[in-house]
Amino acid sequence: GAGVSQSPSNKVTEKGKDVELRCDPISGHTALYWYRQSLGQGLEFLIYFQGNSAPDKSGLPSDRFSAERTGGSVSTLTIQRTQQEDSAVYLCASSFQSPGELFFGEGSRLTVL
Amino acid sequence: DQQVKQNSPSLSVQEGRISILNCDYTNSMFDYFLWYKKYPAEGPTFLISISSIKDKNEDGRFTVFLNKSAKHLSLHIVPSQPGDSAVYFCAAISGGYQKVTFGTGTKLQVIP
Repeated sequence: GAGVSQSPSNKVTEKGKDVELRCDPISGHTALYWYRQSLGQGLEFLIYFQGNSAPDKSGLPSDRFSAERTGGSVSTLTIQRTQQEDSAVYLCASSFQSPGELFFGEGSRLTVL
Repeated sequence: DQQVKQNSPSLSVQEGRISILNCDYTNSMFDYFLWYKKYPAEGPTFLISISSIKDKNEDGRFTVFLNKSAKHLSLHIVPSQPGDSAVYFCAAISGGYQKVTFGTGTKLQVIP
């Protein structure tokens, strides 16, 4: 498809387990972002990749969170030893030229029991 | 530290009337602003943007106004339609660096 693709769309896990969330950005988009939206909250910035530059990890809430982007395309967000407060919708977005015109995926809803 | 603030969590408007959504920011380095719309279970979609060199940008029924001295922007929708019912996010970028900071969102309900 032509849009941003995220998987899984829903993930239920037990507290303490590790989870991986995947994002396939739009082909040719150089910038990739991860945000999360907790229940009743706004969009919280997590991490930003731009081309070959070092990622901006300033939004990652703890060292249990990490992300990588392979070959300038697909990205994986990993949450280790999940906690209940990690429950949220994790949104991936990509952009090309126009500043800030992010194209979002539909999100991965994570529920930690 | 919430650098982009949307102080009204919700807004209700009659169909055909004007909807005004407000946004305030604290970082004077922000120089590009955007509005996104989000329906339930979908990702946000881009609506309209404005550069800090302008004070108004219009696209059909949507107009964004920027008041740099007050660090305030607003989105006007006129006439409002039931299909406009969604959560609207204000967002900002500083100095060409593409990190996008979002507000907390305003849920708009347009009543038929």
